[in-house]
Amino acid sequence: RKEVEQDPGPFNVPEGATVAFNCTYSNSASQSFFWYRQDCRKEPKLLMSVYSSGNEDGRFTAQLNRASQYISLLIRDSKLSDSATYLCVVYQAGTALIFGKGTTLSVSS
Amino acid sequence: EAGVTQFPSHSVIEKGQTVTLRCDPISGHDNLYWYRRVMGKEIKFLLHFVKESKQDESGMPNNRFLAERTGGTYSTLKVQPAELEDSGVYFCASSHPGRAYKNIQYFGAGTRLSVL
Repeated sequence: RKEVEQDPGPFNVPEGATVAFNCTYSNSASQSFFWYRQDCRKEPKLLMSVYSSGNEDGRFTAQLNRASQYISLLIRDSKLSDSATYLCVVYQAGTALIFGKGTTLSVSS
Repeated sequence: EAGVTQFPSHSVIEKGQTVTLRCDPISGHDNLYWYRRVMGKEIKFLLHFVKESKQDESGMPNNRFLAERTGGTYSTLKVQPAELEDSGVYFCASSHPGRAYKNIQYFGAGTRLSVL
């Protein structure tokens, strides 16, 4: 079982749609959770951190369920500029970041 | 503030040759990390420096890979001799020591290595 697993995608949605990505992690001792965004041939950039029960930033909402070892990212009112690969990332103290393979989102007009 | 910079952006070499990748972290960031993404796979950790010391090199694939960070500033990752399976994108990331728990890492754009 992979340490961090994500929906394989790709997700193809029209502008204005709401889309949700899911992620599960295998190590219950994981402490910090992140969503990174990566545009084609660019660096991964931190989109959101998720520390406890989740948080919201504009159109983006991240949820964490420690009991189920599950993280989600919800994007409301999708924009063309949201098209990218979304990486679910987990951190456990004393180790490095552990990445999922990423989920590709394509928003069309 | 300048971000993490990596050089070169792309390198094409033949099997058996040597390649050296360079990473300049964000100024003041003591933590420096190397990661690699092989085609079709997830980004994977290679090693972690705290200043000039190797904190964790458990992700280094084998002894053909040598990372250095002299003076605790920029870092180099040398692959010698390169093999076909070394092809991929090599990312560098850095983080401020004060944010170690939250571990917000800032990534460079990566070096795309192609071994032919």
